[in-house]
Amino acid sequence: DQQVKQNSPSLSVQEGRISILNCDYTNSMFDYFLWYKKYPAEGPTFLISISSIKDKNEDGRFTVFLNKSAKHLSLHIVPSQPGDSAVYFCAAETNQAGTALIFGKGTTLSVSS
Amino acid sequence: EAGVTQSPTHLIKTRGQQATLRCSPISGHTSVYWYQQALGLGLQFLLWYDEGEERNRGNFPPRFSGRQFPNYSSELNVNALELEDSALYLCASSRVGKSYEQYFGPGTRLTVT
Repeated sequence: DQQVKQNSPSLSVQEGRISILNCDYTNSMFDYFLWYKKYPAEGPTFLISISSIKDKNEDGRFTVFLNKSAKHLSLHIVPSQPGDSAVYFCAAETNQAGTALIFGKGTTLSVSS
Repeated sequence: EAGVTQSPTHLIKTRGQQATLRCSPISGHTSVYWYQQALGLGLQFLLWYDEGEERNRGNFPPRFSGRQFPNYSSELNVNALELEDSALYLCASSRVGKSYEQYFGPGTRLTVT
């Protein structure tokens, strides 16, 4: 049972355009959501997060939107750059003690120049 | 500040053998997490250690085990290796109570032949 789903395995975008990566979840107990970026041969690096009490968080070119009623979040990258090409993982956490991050399967973003 | 380190980078074992993977967290981090990234499956949570104790484990058989040492470094042991154990094993660390801010190491690539 996949609690965090990234239904698009891949996304191709031109440099300068917007990249939108989507994530759906099923567990209403999730209270914190994160996006990680992973380059080949490296571990995932934290990108941006959002608490369930917010609907938007922005950090430079990266914005995460949360729609709790739809159990959906998205990561917007504007403008996209070739260096953004990587695998992006959506992750979620509950506030229950002893739980760990639940990751989606990832979306591979390719930004062409 | 040094990041999370993992050793070895690559490990090749034959079916039935045992593998030991090591992780050193960021200084000041007391929690260590282990994840398995098998092909096409995203990051699957394996184990979580905090203050030397196992806090939680994912849906993996008992032949996956580990421990955390007094200096907060950790070992992951995989007994009776099977071909499907071939994967990238990622270690992450966080400060206590901040499991939503995990920092990952580069991983150990385990190949079982």
